Amino acid sequence: DAGVTQSPTHLIKTRGQQVTLRCSPKSGHDTVSWYQQALGQGPQFIFQYYEEEERQRGNFPDRFSGHQFPNYSSELNVNALLLGDSALYLCASNLLWGSGNTIYFGEGSWLTVV
Amino acid sequence: AQRVTQPEKLLSVFKGAPVELKCNYSYSGSPELFWYVQYSRQRLQLLLRHISRESIKGFTADLNKGETSFHLKKPFAQEEDSAMYYCALSGQGGSEKLVFGKGTKLTVNP
Repeated sequence: DAGVTQSPTHLIKTRGQQVTLRCSPKSGHDTVSWYQQALGQGPQFIFQYYEEEERQRGNFPDRFSGHQFPNYSSELNVNALLLGDSALYLCASNLLWGSGNTIYFGEGSWLTVV
Repeated sequence: AQRVTQPEKLLSVFKGAPVELKCNYSYSGSPELFWYVQYSRQRLQLLLRHISRESIKGFTADLNKGETSFHLKKPFAQEEDSAMYYCALSGQGGSEKLVFGKGTKLTVNP
């Protein structure tokens, strides 16, 4: 089991551009969450998807949007990139209902906005 | 407001010494508390959660609701414990969003 996988691992974008990050959850998981981790900070919750719907959302602007596909994989889209969007973006997955409900994280996608 | 505070950004101890990483939280209700660890060049992984009451790699953490704390402890630190440690909380059930502290970088010196 490869666990949570994310792509790309690194990317550089210019201010104003748009970016799409991808995530495949751990096998058997149905829920995907996205976190932003700025340098020197803990991860901050962006949103969570379950059954292809946004289930919870953190305090992020509408420029941040997501999608979950029928195979449970997910995308994070960020429009009109700002320099402050430079961060590590983490995907996490878990089984929403069930014993344990341990949340597993991917290795992240490093986004640099120049 | 939901908040997790880790007052120490850096913590340095010698091998064999006891170590305690502090975590305080604020939450309306009964949260679930977690410790996550990130070793160098590895992904964030769960170290322990308060409801399981397990001891992982010699680490324990006790939830003190009166002091709203969840400090992580190990009686004898090892060099391989050097890592970034994050305290986090969520709502009941553990599937809700995680709120993280800013993390403590632990260095265990030989």
